Formats: sequence, structure tokens, C-alpha cells
Amino acid sequence: GDSVTQMEGPVTLSEEAFLTINCTYTATGYPSLFWYVQYPGEGLQLLLKATKADDKGSNKGFEATYRKETTSFHLEKGSVQVSDSAVYFCALSEKTGGSYIPTFGRGTSLIVHP
Amino acid sequence: DGGITQSPKYLFRKEGQNVTLSCEQNLNHDAMYWYRQDPGQGLRLIYYSQIVNDFQKGDIAEGYSVSREKKESFPLTVTSAQKNPTAFYLCASRPGQGIPDTQYFGPGTRLTVL
Repeated sequence: GDSVTQMEGPVTLSEEAFLTINCTYTATGYPSLFWYVQYPGEGLQLLLKATKADDKGSNKGFEATYRKETTSFHLEKGSVQVSDSAVYFCALSEKTGGSYIPTFGRGTSLIVHP
Repeated sequence: DGGITQSPKYLFRKEGQNVTLSCEQNLNHDAMYWYRQDPGQGLRLIYYSQIVNDFQKGDIAEGYSVSREKKESFPLTVTSAQKNPTAFYLCASRPGQGIPDTQYFGPGTRLTVL
């Protein structure tokens, strides 16, 4: 079945550092790919998404490119802020038996120090 | 404002009691989902519903039950058969049945069984 693998955290950075969170996936077809962010004690919210190969999703300085050849969707940000501290989830959505059931990675915790 | 409401935010129950978690959405979304989140394990799918009066088991449905009598509502009952019910529960919805759209999440309910 489908699966999503994220780098384990926590990732600890100083403010203004460059961020990369790796995400690779396994799918039978052509899934849509997502990054969600979860702040402490809250639900998840969409950060960015890409629906086909070579698409780049971007939002709030974060970017990720859908790489079909390497089955990857790595999240990057050029300069992190303390307010970016959260848990980041990579996810895919693919049609299975007529339904779209999202598959999530385990999440990567990001801690940004001043 | 449109969104997903989960209530209550914190819930305490004695062991052996059934408890029902509320999830309401006013986004006019067809699909709704329940996830369980434990530390370090990401999101695990409990049940999902693609349309009113229909729902399917997810990966960890044992000890849980749901109903979908109205499009707006998808309550989750945690029964006494669930061996380890203490967790953070997230409800989500998605617009269409046949497209891999973004999921929208509620703020979550933290259930503690004493």
C-alpha cells in the first residue's frame, strides 16, 4: 500500500537558518502531495501542496517540489523563524477503490531557537 | 466563518465508560474522517465517511463506532472495548468524493481515561 516516510525529529535550528525536512513516498499511481503543519495543541492545517510531477508548492516562505523520479517532496525554507516551531506532516492522497484516502507520515518536530 | 468544530477540547472519563466526541462542519464537505494521534506515531485513521449514511473502517477501528446521519455531523464513540483510549482525536473533512483535495482539520479533542 501507499506509504510516506519523513526524517525523524526533532530538528533543532537557530533563527534564520536554512531548513530541509525530507519526505519520500511510495504509491502505485500518481498521488497528490501535501505538507501540513500542526502547532501545539491544535489541529493540522495545510501548508502547501502539489498535484503533479515537477509542480512546486509554496506558502509563507516554505517550498516543496514534486519529484516523481526520486518519489520525494522535501520541504525547504531559506530562513526559519521562532514562530515556525511546530510539527510538520508530509502526506499523499491517491485514489484507492474509488475513494481518496490520505496517507500521512509520522511528522517531524521543528524547534527554532532565537 | 466556515470550519470544523470539535467539542469538548478536553474530556475526562472513567475506565469502562463509553464516550462520544463531537465533530461538526459547515463547509458543505462530503467526506469526513476521524484520526487518532499518539506521540511519535503520526495520524492513524479510525473511520471515514464519503457520503451521508455510509462509512468505512480505517486502520484502527476496533473499539470505536461512528454514525453519519447528517452531512454536517460525524460523531465518534469510544467504547469500553477500546483498550487504550487516552489520545488526541482529530476530525477532518474534504470537499469532494472523487478528487484529492486538501483536508481541513478541527482543533482536536484530548481524551483522558482515568
